[in-house]
Amino acid sequence: DAGVIQSPRHEVTEMGQEVTLRCKPISGHDYLFWYRQTMMRGLELLIYFNNNVPIDDSGMPEDRFSAKMPNASFSTLKIQPSEPRDSAVYFCASSFVPHRGNTIYFGEGSWLTVV
Amino acid sequence: KQEVTQIPAALSVPEGENLVLNCSFTDSAIYNLQWFRQDPGKGLTSLLLIQSSQREQTSGRLNASLDKSSGRSTLYIAASQPGDSATYLCAVRLQFSGGYNKLIFGAGTRLAVHP
Repeated sequence: DAGVIQSPRHEVTEMGQEVTLRCKPISGHDYLFWYRQTMMRGLELLIYFNNNVPIDDSGMPEDRFSAKMPNASFSTLKIQPSEPRDSAVYFCASSFVPHRGNTIYFGEGSWLTVV
Repeated sequence: KQEVTQIPAALSVPEGENLVLNCSFTDSAIYNLQWFRQDPGKGLTSLLLIQSSQREQTSGRLNASLDKSSGRSTLYIAASQPGDSATYLCAVRLQFSGGYNKLIFGAGTRLAVHP
């Protein structure tokens, strides 16, 4: 398997613009996670899905952030409108059900800069 | 609220040294604990996963231990090499019923191994 695939890898956008980050999880995984990483706050869980259904979105910063998973092989994280404080690395990760030795696999991240 | 702390925040050692990275967590009701490695500009790679019922896991020069009752884990790296230079993150998976599933990360330890 190619692993978790994220796009774009890098994006620079102007404040106020809409940003859409995309993720393709590992085939067959039941769970998909969106994390944000910054120097100040480290890795924060934004939202996760189980079988395409959002389970916990308590980490989503505010209404400007939204995430969808229309099918088992695709998810998006959207920021509208974007602000400079949204600049961070956004990671997508996936896993099987969390029992036994099932680990979580991360994509390479989408590096977002909002100017 | 579960909090994960890693000490030290940064470590610089000469090649060949054996070293220990520490991770502590405040709530012992965890499902498992994972150690990850993150290289600059990359995603996270899982190194070792310890189930809550286990005491340690080994992979090559890496050994991770878990003491759930005291809320501590250590990652031991034997005979360190310059290629081990990276950030090492500890994460605990919280245990809930009904498919609830959350991974909480520490801030990481930045390791530099110099020749």
